Amino acid sequence: LAKTTQPISMDSYEGQEVNITCSHNNIATNDYITWYQQFPSQGPRFIIQGYKTKVTNEVASLFIPADRKSSTLSLPRVSLSDTAVYYCLVGDIPGGYQKVTFGTGTKLQVIP
Amino acid sequence: GAVVSQHPSRVICKSGTSVKIECRSLDFQATTMFWYRQFPKQSLMLMATSNEGSKATYEQGVEKDKFLINHASLTLSTLTVTSAHPEDSSFYICSARSSPGQEINEQFFGPGTRLTVL
Repeated sequence: LAKTTQPISMDSYEGQEVNITCSHNNIATNDYITWYQQFPSQGPRFIIQGYKTKVTNEVASLFIPADRKSSTLSLPRVSLSDTAVYYCLVGDIPGGYQKVTFGTGTKLQVIP
Repeated sequence: GAVVSQHPSRVICKSGTSVKIECRSLDFQATTMFWYRQFPKQSLMLMATSNEGSKATYEQGVEKDKFLINHASLTLSTLTVTSAHPEDSSFYICSARSSPGQEINEQFFGPGTRLTVL
């Protein structure tokens, strides 16, 4: 399982765009990159998933360079409610079961 | 998205007793469910993989006789913490994986169960 490295914490003001980068140097060919959000005392919530290049949905964008050794989660115009821990995971999908290992995550604090 | 529920959401028990936590996939079938444990200010740690109709696969360092996992149906997995001790106090989270072949493969997480052992 590819190990991931993220900044432990980040601060941002409301309304700004936040970019959280994750390193996964040992990512395998079959691995996808998935980001989750977790609020205190809640289960993680899926944000976005991608394999290469750029993926965008209604809440975030995910940028993955050609070598796939890193990825960047981009949150546009954050609000106070985006204060949470963000986890980057890599795992082999589809087929079989996806056993994933959570890294330390990035604690994002949005400041008024 | 799919919904995974856990019951109870919070439980307090005395040391030495056993506690059962249920994890249900409400609107999809899950052949595989995962159990995690999370201590305060720490990341989630995978405890075991629960496979419907077969024995669970435990991660290294997790005592299978202490954390009993049963996955009797495609929508229900249970985790029983036997002879609980204060050090077992933690936030237990389950997840269920969507079916293989889906365009987006994600794990759907339950809301978690806060266990406090006195």
